[in-house]
Amino acid sequence: DSGVTQTPKHLITATGQRVTLRCSPRSGDLSVYWYQQSLDQGLQFLIQYYNGEERAKGNILERFSAQQFPDLHSELNLSSLELGDSALYFCASSVGTGGLSDTQYFGPGTRLTVL
Amino acid sequence: AQTVTQSQPEMSVQEAETVTLSCTYDTSESNYYLFWYKQPPSRQMILVIRQEAYKQQNATENRFSVNFQKAAKSFSLKISDSQLGDTAMYFCAFIHTSGTYKYIFGTGTRLKVLA
Repeated sequence: DSGVTQTPKHLITATGQRVTLRCSPRSGDLSVYWYQQSLDQGLQFLIQYYNGEERAKGNILERFSAQQFPDLHSELNLSSLELGDSALYFCASSVGTGGLSDTQYFGPGTRLTVL
Repeated sequence: AQTVTQSQPEMSVQEAETVTLSCTYDTSESNYYLFWYKQPPSRQMILVIRQEAYKQQNATENRFSVNFQKAAKSFSLKISDSQLGDTAMYFCAFIHTSGTYKYIFGTGTRLKVLA
């Protein structure tokens, strides 16, 4: 158990809908990262927040957005969902700003299925 | 653009034997970290080992060690005395900073340890 929690574990929804994934980082960690893992594209970095502010951005679609709240939990919002958004979404956390020596600890993931 | 390539989609090894997983990467950066993550059937992402690019000495963690060849941009993972619990997907990952952080993962190698 990494100490990172993600809810829900599974989510099934329809195309065009909007969903929110939630992540609670390890106690003391200030950074939260979101990743998407789909069958044909491996693990893709989406976005990172550090202490409430966006720190780094990867291959995140405009239909997706995220935020980190004052209690440091984070939410990833996915809207206008498409079949191709079906994937496993991971959250990770780390103590620092995500620098080269900052180890990321991954949550168990949320499995999103878009029908 | 930075890339990470894992050329072995699947591998198998007999229990107690040694296996080496390959990873190559492409970057013009001089300062970066390389990681190997393990993803067992539970889907949890677990950090196995990491290597700082500026260190010539290869990292080791118990039965896991790396062969880091900076000039060749190669970062292979050696698993000694393979155990059934080592059965998992293994991802090579590259992290660097160039204005903003980049977290790039390979497509993974599925390792099966045979009894």
